[in-house]
Amino acid sequence: NAGVTQTPKFQVLKTGQSMTLQCAQDMNHNSMYWYRQDPGMGLRLIYYSASEGTTDKGEVPNGYNVSRLNKREFSLRLESAAPSQTSVYFCASRTGMSTEAFFGQGTRLTVV
Amino acid sequence: AQSVSQHNHHVILSEAASLELGCNYSYGGTVNLFWYVQYPGQHLQLLLKYFSGDPLVKGIKGFEAEFIKSKFSFNLRKPSVQWSDTAEYFCAVNAGYSSASKIIFGSGTRLSIRP
Repeated sequence: NAGVTQTPKFQVLKTGQSMTLQCAQDMNHNSMYWYRQDPGMGLRLIYYSASEGTTDKGEVPNGYNVSRLNKREFSLRLESAAPSQTSVYFCASRTGMSTEAFFGQGTRLTVV
Repeated sequence: AQSVSQHNHHVILSEAASLELGCNYSYGGTVNLFWYVQYPGQHLQLLLKYFSGDPLVKGIKGFEAEFIKSKFSFNLRKPSVQWSDTAEYFCAVNAGYSSASKIIFGSGTRLSIRP
C-alpha cells in the first residue's frame, strides 16, 4: 500500500510565487492534516480536515489555504510564498478519533 | 487550548544507558497520547499510543510510556538504548472526543547515542 503520498518532494519558489502541495491517502481515512516542521519547533498544525467537506484552522494557518477535494485528497496552497514559509511540510491522515495518524514522506520547500 | 511540552531538547547518552524523555500536556479532559519517532531523513512513525486502560503502554523496539493523569504527563522510557535509537522523538496529544479534534505535537527531543 502507498499510504500517504505527497507531491512534490522538493520545491524551490521565489518570493511571491504560488504553489499547491498535494496529498493523497489510499487508506480510506476520514481525517487529514497538514503540518510544518521547523528546527526546534516540532510539528505545528496548519490546517486539518476532520471529514470530507470540512476544514479547520490549526495553530499556524496564516498564509495558507486548503482544499479537501474528496475523501482521498487534501491540498495545501501558498498564494504568495514568503521566506518564512521555508519548511518541511508533512501531510497525515487517520481513520478517526481513537486512532493514530499516518504520515507522508514530506515536502521540503525553500522560498528564496 | 491544548499544548504539549517536551523539556529535553537534546539528550546525549551512551549505548546501554537508560532513557527517559519527558512529556507534559495541558488539557483537563479526556486525551489520547502518542509518541512518534523520526529517524534522520525520514517521516514520522508511531512508537506507541495511549487511549484508555492500563496507563503503562508498550510500543515497538522496547519503548514504553506511562500515563500519569494527576501529573498530566506521558514520559517515554527505554531500559537500554542502542545506537540505532538515534532520532528525534515527538510527543503528541489529541484532546476530547470530538471528531473534529486536532493532534498537537511537542517541539521534539533529539536523542544522540554514542557508540
